Order: sequence, then C-alpha cells, then structure tokens
Amino acid sequence: DAKTTQPPSMDCAEGRAANLPCNHSTISGNEYVYWYRQIHSQGPQYIIHGLKNNETNEMASLIITEDRKSSTLILPHATLRDTAVYYCIVSPLSGGYNKLIFGAGTRLAVHP
Amino acid sequence: NAGVTQTPKFRVLKTGQSMTLLCAQDMNHEYMYWYRQDPGMGLRLIHYSVGEGTTAKGEVPDGYNVSRLKKQNFLLGLESAAPSQTSVYFCASSRNTHEQYFGPGTRLTVT
Repeated sequence: DAKTTQPPSMDCAEGRAANLPCNHSTISGNEYVYWYRQIHSQGPQYIIHGLKNNETNEMASLIITEDRKSSTLILPHATLRDTAVYYCIVSPLSGGYNKLIFGAGTRLAVHP
Repeated sequence: NAGVTQTPKFRVLKTGQSMTLLCAQDMNHEYMYWYRQDPGMGLRLIHYSVGEGTTAKGEVPDGYNVSRLKKQNFLLGLESAAPSQTSVYFCASSRNTHEQYFGPGTRLTVT
C-alpha cells in the first residue's frame, strides 16, 4: 500500500476551518484516500473517503488534487470536540474489504 | 445496536500466560479485523477475516492466533504473552463498503 506523509501537529482556533494536508505521491490508480480520526485513545472513527473527485459529508470535505498525489481534509467550523489525531490512509477496496495501514497521523488541537 | 464491543477492557498478564480477547459485532458485517496500537503510533493490522470460518494474516501476525467460528465474533489469542505485546488492541468490522467500525479497545499489559 502507498504511504502517506502528514504534519505531526496542527493548531486551529475554534470556529475556524481546519485544513489538514496529506501527501501520497505513490498512490496507485485503484487506491482510495481515507480519513479517520481518533479522539483521546478511543477507537478510530471514519470521516470520509474519495477516489478522484472531491467529496463532502456532514463531517468534512475532502479535496483531492488532479494528479491524486495529495489531498486536504477540511473541517469547516472546528469545535473543541474535533481535537484528535487525524489519519490519512490510502488503500484499495479489494473484494469488499480493505486493510488499513495507519501512519502517525496529525495531532489537531482546537483552542478557544 | 451496540456496534462493536470488546472484552475485556483491561488486562494484566505475566510473561508466558495466555489469554483470549473477544470482539463481537451486531451489525451482520462480513469482514472483521484486529489491530494493535503502541504508544505514539498508528494502528497496525494483526489479522483479519473476510467471512465466517476464514482468517488471514495482516501486517504483524507473529505471536497471535485468531478464530472466526461465528460471523458476529472474532477472537484474538495470545498463547504465550511477551512484554512486547503490551499494547492497546482494537477490533473493527465492515460490510461491503469503505467504512470500518471500531470497538473501544482493550488495554493489555504484559509484565
């Protein structure tokens, strides 16, 4: 599976947008980009995924560059409860399942 | 729905002891996974299952065995625990979609 590179930490003011970058320059054509987050040692929580097009759901937006070598997760109005470690993962969906490889992620701190 | 549950929540073992971690899901998911997370690191896949009666090795399978006798349960066994297996263990499940649902984790300490 392709590897990803994320900044180790970021800060964001409450109410502002949080933009979390991820580089995945060796991504293959059949690999999706997934974002999960982990709040205070709880089990990871799925946020969003995409293949080529930008995606949006009730939690976040995912912007994927045209060459698919990088992406950005956007939390439009960050709250204190969004403080967590955010993981960017690339993986194919093979046979209906995927084997996720987690890196160290980005520790996002949202402050008042 | 309870989602994904894990038993026990905490456990302390002595080196050489054995134990089984239980993962249960009530969502009728086909696929189940076991991960471990060491301090300051991301999760690593130990074993996974693509259906009842099937198991496969993940990224770090050594020292662990698994069984999936029932669709809703996925068991992780440590036959002879070592201090290097001190970790937080997470179970997850998924159906034929992209999202994996994770349990709350089991904190295991091996002394």
